[in-house]
Amino acid sequence: KQEVTQIPAALSVPEGENLVLNCSFTDSAIYNLQWFRQDPGKGLTSLLLIQSSQREQTSGRLNASLDKSSGRSTLYIAASQPGDSATYLCAVIGTGNQFYFGTGTSLTVIP
Amino acid sequence: EPEVTQTPSHQVTQMGQEVILRCVPISNHLYFYWYRQILGQKVEFLVSFYNNEISEKSEIFDDQFSVERPDGSNFTLKIRSTKLEDSAMYFCASGGEANVLTFGAGSRLTVL
Repeated sequence: KQEVTQIPAALSVPEGENLVLNCSFTDSAIYNLQWFRQDPGKGLTSLLLIQSSQREQTSGRLNASLDKSSGRSTLYIAASQPGDSATYLCAVIGTGNQFYFGTGTSLTVIP
Repeated sequence: EPEVTQTPSHQVTQMGQEVILRCVPISNHLYFYWYRQILGQKVEFLVSFYNNEISEKSEIFDDQFSVERPDGSNFTLKIRSTKLEDSAMYFCASGGEANVLTFGAGSRLTVL
């Protein structure tokens, strides 16, 4: 069964810093990897989707990379802002079309 | 941008009562899913639905749960007799392709 782990569980940084969130997964046979943002008590907002044939995707200040062979993905956030404070979830989808989610990284950006 | 809409946003119910959570997927999508997130825990897969039938379900999705697409637009999750441990946020998702999903904002279920 696919296991998805996210490190760190929580991160607090001053505004303006660049930061990296890590995601690892145990089964490299995946179709896609997707990064989501979740605000407290709210739903899931898709940030970036990386297909298995891709190595990275960029959207604004966000860049996500995927290394299937090592079972890792990173989400890079440039020039962090207080509005970036949220929980960031990594999810992989493999055979059976199930999404497997990590427990998330709770990010706090301090003004 | 098209959205997945879920109702109610929050429901409080007594243990043993039946609950129906509703979802309106994106109109041209073919794949439908329910996930849940118990407070402080991971988002967990419950069930996927395609071509008017369940295609996959997890061990969580026992006989107390059922899904239906009653009218070609709504997609519902029914919990027949709620338990305290069913308290969670329930997310509906839909996809035009099987592995690219859009999630709704969730329905919070509180069982007392």
